[in-house]
Amino acid sequence: QSVLTQPPSVSGAPGQRVTISCTGNRSNIGAGYDVHWYQQLPGTAPKLLIYFNANRPSGVPDRFSGSKSGASASLAISGLQPEDEADYYCQSYDSSLSYVFGTGTKVTVL
Amino acid sequence: QVQLQESGPGLVKPSETLSLTCTVPAGSISNTTYYWSWIRQPAGRGLEWIGRIYINGNTNYNPSLKSRVTMSIDTFENRFSLKLNSVTAADTAIYYCARVMYRAFDMWGQGTFITVSS
Repeated sequence: QSVLTQPPSVSGAPGQRVTISCTGNRSNIGAGYDVHWYQQLPGTAPKLLIYFNANRPSGVPDRFSGSKSGASASLAISGLQPEDEADYYCQSYDSSLSYVFGTGTKVTVL
Repeated sequence: QVQLQESGPGLVKPSETLSLTCTVPAGSISNTTYYWSWIRQPAGRGLEWIGRIYINGNTNYNPSLKSRVTMSIDTFENRFSLKLNSVTAADTAIYYCARVMYRAFDMWGQGTFITVSS
């Protein structure tokens, strides 16, 4: 069961900017816990894309950016590329001592 | 490159126990920075956290699965394990093991597909 809510899909033309929202509540994101983002390419395991709300691991292009405000967070992809077509998940921690994931968003490059 | 590796039976019968093992890079399982987790993903669906274990054996489980889950760790063999009992078709999924650093899953195995069927 997913506790964090994301839009099912977003789409954009190459070069455009798209954003994905992630909405939690006061027991997870709203409690101050950090948000992390994962990219899952078709048929592969998820890969950490953004950690601690806005930080990129080595090797992740700077067109990916994250932010957090209150009980929500966002992932932005600027200069959308065909290879960005994937599923994206947000993730946080919950006061029930559980890790929680978002419902997932499919990004389509038109 | 894949650095965590899941191993398991592939097929489990309903009501039986699913057992999976994750082998990690030598020495890293004893690093006190990390927790070790299991996550699953039914076909075409989202990610579900199953549980986590620390080097000292302390565990935390998803409340929705807690009654059926047991995790263990073997620092000598550099691996940790998952047991899920009384499985049903709803437990059919890709099962991933992952390393947890500061509450983020920073390293994942490639996943192993488990089917529950008679």
